[in-house]
Amino acid sequence: DIQMTQSPASLSASPEEIVTITCQASQDIGNWLAWYQQKPGKSPQLLIYSATSLADGIPSRFSGSRSGTQYSLKISRLQVEDTGIYYCLQRYSNPYTFGAGTKLELK
Amino acid sequence: EVKLLESGGGLVQPGGSMRLSCAASGFTFTDFYMYWIRQPAGKAPEWLGFIRNKANGYTTEYNPSVKGRFTISRDNTQNMLYLQMNTLRAEDTATYYCARGIMDAWGQGASVTVSS
Repeated sequence: DIQMTQSPASLSASPEEIVTITCQASQDIGNWLAWYQQKPGKSPQLLIYSATSLADGIPSRFSGSRSGTQYSLKISRLQVEDTGIYYCLQRYSNPYTFGAGTKLELK
Repeated sequence: EVKLLESGGGLVQPGGSMRLSCAASGFTFTDFYMYWIRQPAGKAPEWLGFIRNKANGYTTEYNPSVKGRFTISRDNTQNMLYLQMNTLRAEDTATYYCARGIMDAWGQGASVTVSS
C-alpha cells in the first residue's frame, strides 16, 4: 500500500497568516493527490484535486503544489472558517489511502 | 444541485450483515464512478471501493481490507448505490459515506455500529 505521511498533526495559527500542510507519498503517485477539509460532524469537502486544481466553489486562498513525491496545501490569509481537519488522499493505486490528518485551529 | 443521501445504518451484531443505500440526484448517475468510504470516530477516512460508470462497464474495485466481505452495486434505473456488508466485525464500526466522481461530492454519512 502507498503510505501518505501527513504533517504536522496539528497547528495553531492566527487569522491572515499563511499555513502549509504537507503529505509525503511513499512512492510516485503522479498528480493523483487530493486535499479535503472536514468540519466536526460533517463529511469531508474537496479542496484540491490533481495536486494543484482548485475544486469548484473553493476560495482562491487555498492552493496545492507538488515537488516530487511531496505535496503541499497552502492556505494564504487564514480565515476563521478555515478551522477543521485537513486530509490528503492518493488515488493513484488500490487501495486509495488518506493521510492521518492535520487539525488546524485558530489562535 | 448534487445530492447524495445514505441510509440503512444502525446497530448490528458481530457476524451479521447490513446493506447501506445511497440515493443520488442532481447529476447523470450513469456517467460517474461511485465510491464508498468509511470513517471510524476520531480517525482518518478509509476508502472501501468503487463501482465504475457506464462507459467502463460498471465494474468494481475493492480495498483488500474488505474484499470478499463487502460488495458494491448500483441500480441505474433508480439512481441508487449500495454497499452490502457481510460478516461484520467490531472494527467495521464507522460512519459510511458514498461519494461520486473524483470524490468531489459526499453524502452526510450513515452510522454503523457492530456490537453485541
